[in-house]
Amino acid sequence: KAGVTQTPRYLIKTRGQQVTLSCSPISGHRSVSWYQQTPGQGLQFLFEYFSETQRNKGNFPGRFSGRQFSNSRSEMNVSTLELGDSALYLCASSLGTANQETQYFGPGTRLLVL
Amino acid sequence: AQSVTQLGSHVSVSEGALVLLRCNYSSSVPPYLFWYVQYPNQGLQLLLKYTSAATLVKGINGFEAEFKKSETSFHLTKPSAHMSDAAEYFCAVSVAGGTSYGKLTFGQGTILTVHP
Repeated sequence: KAGVTQTPRYLIKTRGQQVTLSCSPISGHRSVSWYQQTPGQGLQFLFEYFSETQRNKGNFPGRFSGRQFSNSRSEMNVSTLELGDSALYLCASSLGTANQETQYFGPGTRLLVL
Repeated sequence: AQSVTQLGSHVSVSEGALVLLRCNYSSSVPPYLFWYVQYPNQGLQLLLKYTSAATLVKGINGFEAEFKKSETSFHLTKPSAHMSDAAEYFCAVSVAGGTSYGKLTFGQGTILTVHP
Protein backbone atom coordinates (compact mmCIF):
# COMPACT_ATOMS: atom_id res chain seq x y z
CA LYS A 1 0.00 0.00 0.00
CA ALA A 2 1.31 3.44 -0.83
CA GLY A 3 1.99 5.70 2.11
CA VAL A 4 0.83 9.22 2.79
CA THR A 5 2.08 11.64 0.18
CA GLN A 6 2.41 15.39 0.44
CA THR A 7 3.04 17.94 -2.25
CA PRO A 8 5.01 20.02 -2.70
CA ARG A 9 7.91 18.95 -0.50
CA TYR A 10 9.47 22.39 -0.36
CA LEU A 11 8.02 25.83 -0.84
CA ILE A 12 9.33 29.38 -0.59
CA LYS A 13 6.88 32.25 -0.28
CA THR A 14 7.00 35.89 0.73
CA ARG A 15 5.04 37.61 3.46
CA GLY A 16 1.48 38.39 2.53
CA GLN A 17 1.15 35.63 -0.02
CA GLN A 18 -1.03 32.60 0.40
CA VAL A 19 -0.13 28.93 0.01
CA THR A 20 -1.94 25.65 -0.53
CA LEU A 21 -0.52 22.33 0.56
CA SER A 22 -1.83 18.95 -0.50
CA CYS A 23 -2.05 15.60 1.26
CA SER A 24 -3.09 12.23 -0.18
CA PRO A 25 -3.91 9.67 2.52
CA ILE A 26 -3.39 5.95 2.52
CA SER A 27 -6.03 4.22 0.46
CA GLY A 28 -9.08 3.49 2.61
CA HIS A 29 -8.26 6.09 5.24
CA ARG A 30 -10.96 8.69 5.72
CA SER A 31 -9.34 10.88 8.35
CA VAL A 32 -6.62 13.42 7.63
CA SER A 33 -4.97 15.47 10.36
CA TRP A 34 -2.59 18.38 9.87
CA TYR A 35 0.25 19.44 12.15
CA GLN A 36 2.71 22.30 12.20
CA GLN A 37 6.25 21.55 13.38
CA THR A 38 8.61 24.36 14.39
CA PRO A 39 11.77 24.36 16.51
CA GLY A 40 10.18 26.67 19.05
CA GLN A 41 6.65 25.31 19.40
CA GLY A 42 7.23 21.69 18.43
CA LEU A 43 4.42 19.68 16.87
CA GLN A 44 1.05 21.36 17.08
CA PHE A 45 -2.31 20.08 15.86
CA LEU A 46 -3.99 22.26 13.24
CA PHE A 47 -7.19 20.42 12.33
CA GLU A 48 -8.68 17.10 11.33
CA TYR A 49 -11.04 16.20 8.51
CA PHE A 50 -13.19 13.13 8.17
CA SER A 51 -15.54 12.45 5.28
CA GLU A 52 -15.18 16.02 4.00
CA THR A 53 -16.08 17.55 7.38
CA GLN A 54 -13.82 19.27 9.86
CA ARG A 55 -14.26 17.38 13.12
CA ASN A 56 -11.61 19.00 15.23
CA LYS A 57 -9.55 22.15 15.25
CA GLY A 58 -6.49 23.38 17.12
CA ASN A 59 -5.65 26.86 18.33
CA PHE A 60 -4.55 28.52 15.14
CA PRO A 61 -5.82 31.77 13.60
CA GLY A 62 -8.40 31.77 10.85
CA ARG A 63 -5.68 32.30 8.26
CA PHE A 64 -5.18 28.55 8.49
CA SER A 65 -7.93 26.61 6.77
CA GLY A 66 -8.41 23.26 5.15
CA ARG A 67 -10.75 21.07 3.24
CA GLN A 68 -11.19 17.48 2.28
CA PHE A 69 -12.44 16.04 -0.96
CA SER A 70 -14.66 13.05 -1.60
CA ASN A 71 -11.60 10.88 -2.32
CA SER A 72 -10.24 11.82 1.16
CA ARG A 73 -7.43 13.94 -0.25
CA SER A 74 -6.98 17.06 1.80
CA GLU A 75 -5.59 20.52 1.30
CA MET A 76 -4.63 23.16 3.78
CA ASN A 77 -4.39 26.83 2.97
CA VAL A 78 -2.56 29.60 4.74
CA SER A 79 -3.48 33.11 3.73
CA THR A 80 -1.54 36.32 4.37
CA LEU A 81 1.64 34.49 5.23
CA GLU A 82 3.76 35.69 8.13
CA LEU A 83 7.41 34.96 8.85
CA GLY A 84 6.33 32.81 11.79
CA ASP A 85 4.47 30.48 9.46
CA SER A 86 7.79 29.03 8.32
CA ALA A 87 7.57 25.42 9.42
CA LEU A 88 7.33 21.79 8.42
CA TYR A 89 3.69 20.96 7.79
CA LEU A 90 2.84 17.32 8.32
CA CYS A 91 -0.31 15.50 7.47
CA ALA A 92 -1.33 12.14 8.87
CA SER A 93 -4.04 9.73 7.87
CA SER A 94 -5.99 7.08 9.73
CA LEU A 95 -9.22 5.16 9.39
CA GLY A 96 -10.87 7.77 11.57
CA THR A 97 -13.13 5.48 13.57
CA ALA A 98 -11.32 5.54 16.93
CA ASN A 99 -8.81 7.82 18.60
CA GLN A 100 -6.45 4.96 19.49
CA GLU A 101 -5.81 4.28 15.83
CA THR A 102 -2.36 4.81 14.46
CA GLN A 103 -1.86 7.98 12.50
CA TYR A 104 0.44 7.49 9.52
CA PHE A 105 2.47 10.55 8.65
CA GLY A 106 3.61 11.89 5.34
CA PRO A 107 7.10 13.30 4.74
CA GLY A 108 5.89 16.86 5.19
CA THR A 109 6.01 20.11 3.26
CA ARG A 110 8.71 22.51 4.36
CA LEU A 111 7.50 26.08 3.99
CA LEU A 112 9.87 29.01 4.17
CA VAL A 113 8.36 32.49 4.35
CA LEU A 114 10.69 35.36 3.44
CA ALA B 1 -6.85 18.75 28.34
CA GLN B 2 -3.98 16.38 27.90
CA SER B 3 -0.28 17.13 27.95
CA VAL B 4 3.02 15.34 27.59
CA THR B 5 6.40 16.12 29.10
CA GLN B 6 9.55 14.55 27.77
CA LEU B 7 12.41 14.86 30.24
CA GLY B 8 15.64 15.61 28.46
CA SER B 9 15.72 17.30 25.09
CA HIS B 10 18.98 15.52 24.28
CA VAL B 11 20.11 12.04 25.30
CA SER B 12 23.49 10.62 24.35
CA VAL B 13 24.44 6.94 24.66
CA SER B 14 27.19 4.68 23.44
CA GLU B 15 26.48 2.00 20.89
CA GLY B 16 25.36 -1.11 22.73
CA ALA B 17 24.21 0.79 25.81
CA LEU B 18 20.69 0.96 27.21
CA VAL B 19 18.42 3.60 25.73
CA LEU B 20 15.93 5.24 28.11
CA LEU B 21 13.75 8.11 26.90
CA ARG B 22 11.36 9.53 29.47
CA CYS B 23 7.75 10.54 28.93
CA ASN B 24 5.20 11.68 31.50
CA TYR B 25 1.64 12.50 30.61
CA SER B 26 -1.24 14.37 32.13
CA SER B 27 -4.81 13.33 31.42
CA SER B 28 -8.02 13.35 33.39
CA VAL B 29 -9.31 10.32 31.47
CA PRO B 30 -7.58 7.10 30.42
CA PRO B 31 -5.01 7.96 27.78
CA TYR B 32 -3.80 6.39 24.61
CA LEU B 33 -0.04 6.82 24.36
CA PHE B 34 2.26 6.72 21.38
CA TRP B 35 5.96 6.89 20.62
CA TYR B 36 7.02 8.14 17.21
CA VAL B 37 10.49 8.52 15.68
CA GLN B 38 11.53 11.15 13.18
CA TYR B 39 14.64 10.92 11.04
CA PRO B 40 16.03 14.07 9.41
CA ASN B 41 13.86 15.45 6.63
CA GLN B 42 11.25 12.77 7.11
CA GLY B 43 7.83 12.40 8.66
CA LEU B 44 7.03 10.54 11.85
CA GLN B 45 7.03 6.76 12.12
CA LEU B 46 5.16 4.91 14.84
CA LEU B 47 7.36 2.85 17.16
CA LEU B 48 4.64 1.58 19.47
CA LYS B 49 1.41 2.51 21.19
CA TYR B 50 -0.55 1.81 24.36
CA THR B 51 -4.31 1.49 24.04
CA SER B 52 -5.31 0.06 27.46
CA ALA B 53 -4.44 -3.56 26.76
CA ALA B 54 -1.08 -4.86 28.04
CA THR B 55 0.90 -2.30 30.03
CA LEU B 56 4.20 -3.48 28.54
CA VAL B 57 4.17 -2.68 24.87
CA LYS B 58 6.69 -3.98 22.37
CA GLY B 59 7.36 -2.06 19.19
CA ILE B 60 9.54 -2.09 16.16
CA ASN B 61 13.34 -2.11 16.09
CA GLY B 62 13.61 -3.63 19.58
CA PHE B 63 11.93 -0.76 21.43
CA GLU B 64 9.44 -1.23 24.22
CA ALA B 65 7.58 0.96 26.69
CA GLU B 66 5.74 0.36 29.93
CA PHE B 67 2.58 2.21 30.92
CA LYS B 68 2.66 3.06 34.63
CA LYS B 69 -0.55 4.71 35.71
CA SER B 70 0.66 5.43 39.26
CA GLU B 71 3.63 7.35 37.86
CA THR B 72 1.77 8.75 34.82
CA SER B 73 4.70 7.59 32.75
CA PHE B 74 5.33 5.83 29.47
CA HIS B 75 9.11 5.62 29.15
CA LEU B 76 10.70 4.18 26.02
CA THR B 77 13.56 1.71 26.32
CA LYS B 78 15.85 -0.37 24.16
CA PRO B 79 18.40 -2.75 25.69
CA SER B 80 21.18 -2.08 23.21
CA ALA B 81 21.52 1.08 21.13
CA HIS B 82 22.48 0.93 17.49
CA MET B 83 23.90 3.74 15.40
CA SER B 84 20.77 3.70 13.28
CA ASP B 85 18.68 4.64 16.35
CA ALA B 86 20.00 8.20 16.20
CA ALA B 87 16.93 10.33 15.56
CA GLU B 88 14.36 12.48 17.33
CA TYR B 89 11.72 10.72 19.39
CA PHE B 90 8.29 12.03 20.26
CA CYS B 91 5.83 10.87 22.87
CA ALA B 92 2.18 11.69 22.18
CA VAL B 93 -1.16 11.31 23.90
CA SER B 94 -4.76 11.05 22.79
CA VAL B 95 -7.99 10.13 24.55
CA ALA B 96 -11.38 8.84 23.57
CA GLY B 97 -14.08 11.32 22.71
CA GLY B 98 -15.01 13.91 20.16
CA THR B 99 -12.65 16.62 21.35
CA SER B 100 -9.74 14.38 20.40
CA TYR B 101 -10.77 13.35 16.92
CA GLY B 102 -7.58 13.04 14.92
CA LYS B 103 -5.62 14.95 17.53
CA LEU B 104 -2.34 13.86 19.00
CA THR B 105 -0.74 16.06 21.66
CA PHE B 106 3.02 15.75 21.42
CA GLY B 107 5.88 16.25 23.80
CA GLN B 108 8.75 18.51 22.81
CA GLY B 109 10.85 15.64 21.55
CA THR B 110 14.13 14.03 22.58
CA ILE B 111 17.10 13.91 20.24
CA LEU B 112 18.98 10.65 20.67
CA THR B 113 22.66 10.61 19.76
CA VAL B 114 24.50 7.29 19.57
CA HIS B 115 28.29 7.30 19.86
CA PRO B 116 30.42 4.53 18.41
